[in-house]
Amino acid sequence: DSGVTQTPKHLITATGQRVTLRCSPRSGDLSVYWYQQSLDQGLQFLIQYYNGEERAKGNILERFSAQQFPDLHSELNLSSLELGDSALYFCASSAGTTRGHEQFFGPGTRLTVL
Amino acid sequence: GNSVTQMEGPVTLSEEAFLTINCTYTATGYPSLFWYVQYPGEGLQLLLKATKADDKGSNKGFEATYRKETTSFHLEKGSVQVSDSAVYFCALSETDTGTASKLTFGTGTRLQVTL
Repeated sequence: DSGVTQTPKHLITATGQRVTLRCSPRSGDLSVYWYQQSLDQGLQFLIQYYNGEERAKGNILERFSAQQFPDLHSELNLSSLELGDSALYFCASSAGTTRGHEQFFGPGTRLTVL
Repeated sequence: GNSVTQMEGPVTLSEEAFLTINCTYTATGYPSLFWYVQYPGEGLQLLLKATKADDKGSNKGFEATYRKETTSFHLEKGSVQVSDSAVYFCALSETDTGTASKLTFGTGTRLQVTL
């Protein structure tokens, strides 16, 4: 158990809909990262927050947004969903932002868009 | 930009065989290197890491050495077990602005160990 929790575990929805994925980092970790794992694109970094502020952006679509709340949990919002958004979405947390800090991954949310 | 290249899988080995999974990277600075493992239906777990050249990371019988001259971080294990069957990801992180440390992953290598 990494200490990172994600809900829900599975999500099935239709095209055009909007969903929210939730992540609670390990106790004391200030950085939260979101990654997308799909068969065609592998594991890709989406976005990082540190203590409530956005720190880095990767290949995140404009239809996607995220935020980190004062209690440090984070939400990833996916809107106008398309079939191609079906993937595993992982949240990870780490203590800081300097390189080398381990990232601890949650179990993931499997999103299926029908 | 940064990139990680891993050998194609799947890799199928008999129990107690020697394992090597090749990983090479491209980075503009001095990255930290990681191996993560993903068991079926689970998230990623950090297997080992190395933060500077010539460092050797090791855990659970797995080893990898950070080779700056060949930009490689190959994963090895002397004797694999059935329980090692999983997907292995090589990854790097690099501080660009001094604050971000996102991971760049390879495509993953599936290992299947048979009796």
